[in-house]
Amino acid sequence: AQKITQTQPGMFVQEKEAVTLDCTYDTSDQSYGLFWYKQPSSGEMIFLIYQGSYDEQNATEGRYSLNFQKARKSANLVISASQLGDSAMYFCAMREGGADKLIFGTGTRLQVFP
Amino acid sequence: NAGVTQTPKFQVLKTGQSMTLQCAQDMNHEYMSWYRQDPGMGLRLIHYSVGAGITDQGEVPNGYNVSRSTTEDFPLRLLSAAPSQTSVYFCASSYSAYRGLSYNSPLHFGNGTRLTVT
Repeated sequence: AQKITQTQPGMFVQEKEAVTLDCTYDTSDQSYGLFWYKQPSSGEMIFLIYQGSYDEQNATEGRYSLNFQKARKSANLVISASQLGDSAMYFCAMREGGADKLIFGTGTRLQVFP
Repeated sequence: NAGVTQTPKFQVLKTGQSMTLQCAQDMNHEYMSWYRQDPGMGLRLIHYSVGAGITDQGEVPNGYNVSRSTTEDFPLRLLSAAPSQTSVYFCASSYSAYRGLSYNSPLHFGNGTRLTVT
């Protein structure tokens, strides 16, 4: 069964610094997709970045990049040049290929301080 | 373009009452799903559907029913509310791998329903 683990309940980072949010996953499928979502205090879920299991390059979207290490089954989110507006909950999620359901981790609360 | 619309935004129920959380999407997405979010638990999948007439259970289906009569709508029913069902509920949709579309389709979320059962 697929499983997502986020071991950092909370993280602090100073503005303009980079931060890495950890995500490990467990699947027996060779085809899968990994997603990161942001949930600000207002509550909406915002899609940030996607990485496919066959993608050779790490995904990047602006200040967000995904450090994908397939052998270690990790898909860490890297936020460069943190901003105060990055303070939020961040969720890692996985969808196995050929299936539709998306399973989420428990999330990491990131706080950016000046 | 409305995206995913959930109603109501807030609801208070007494134990034993029933209600339906509504979810509609206008993106012609095959896949629709319901999650509940509780502190420290992340988002847990309740039920999902890969198309009209097809539904399946997620991680925490007990106490909830769903149906999918149209592509657009995916209501979630609580038949007899319990305090343990106090939570924030999200509906989400995407294109479906079931129809051969890519599994990299991200979920589009509604704005959530905050449900309190007393």
